[in-house]
Amino acid sequence: NAGVTQTPKFRVLKTGQSMTLLCAQDMNHEYMYWYRQDPGMGLRLIHYSVGEGTTAKGEVPDGYNVSRLKKQNFLLGLESAAPSQTSVYFCASTQDPGRPPRDEQYFGPGTRLTVT
Amino acid sequence: QKEVEQDPGPLSVPEGAIVSLNCTYSNSAFQYFMWYRQYSRKGPELLMYTYSSGNKEDGRFTAQVDKSSKYISLFIRDSQPSDSATYLCAMSGALTGGGNKLTFGTGTQLKVEL
Repeated sequence: NAGVTQTPKFRVLKTGQSMTLLCAQDMNHEYMYWYRQDPGMGLRLIHYSVGEGTTAKGEVPDGYNVSRLKKQNFLLGLESAAPSQTSVYFCASTQDPGRPPRDEQYFGPGTRLTVT
Repeated sequence: QKEVEQDPGPLSVPEGAIVSLNCTYSNSAFQYFMWYRQYSRKGPELLMYTYSSGNKEDGRFTAQVDKSSKYISLFIRDSQPSDSATYLCAMSGALTGGGNKLTFGTGTQLKVEL
């Protein structure tokens, strides 16, 4: 049981390049989330999904797109990377939001992205 | 003004000290309150979870919630070097698209020294 995994772990992009971050979970969780973590800003929600085939915007969605074609995978795309997107990106999943203790969010190890 | 305020530290204490970490919040709609621990270059992991005002104890850790003051605390007794990490408070509220959203504090960096 690997929990939540993320690939890649590190990436350096040039401004304007595109990339996709992959998140995978093996806990059969319905809900998945993408966050970014920046110094002094904490974790901020980018996009989330309440089930296979669904996605919704979080608080900082601009410049990102997501897809949830399979229940276990949640992809985060950057179509045209900008230096402001330099950050650490975390994926998380949960079984049943709002119904403790089943709504614990399990986080992946993160992807460190630098855009030059 | 941020919905959740947390002193970023860093906080340095000697081994064995009692540590107090705090967050204040402004949104009275928050329902559940959590503390996550994040080691360097790792993802956050849930440490404590409380549903209502009052105290909850788990080993050396005590979480305290005061909804009337919109204030939560985490106490660590007999702190150990292995407790050195960033501690993030988080609060749960409903998302318009379904599910719950976690709103995080910025985290307090703690170092416990030998």
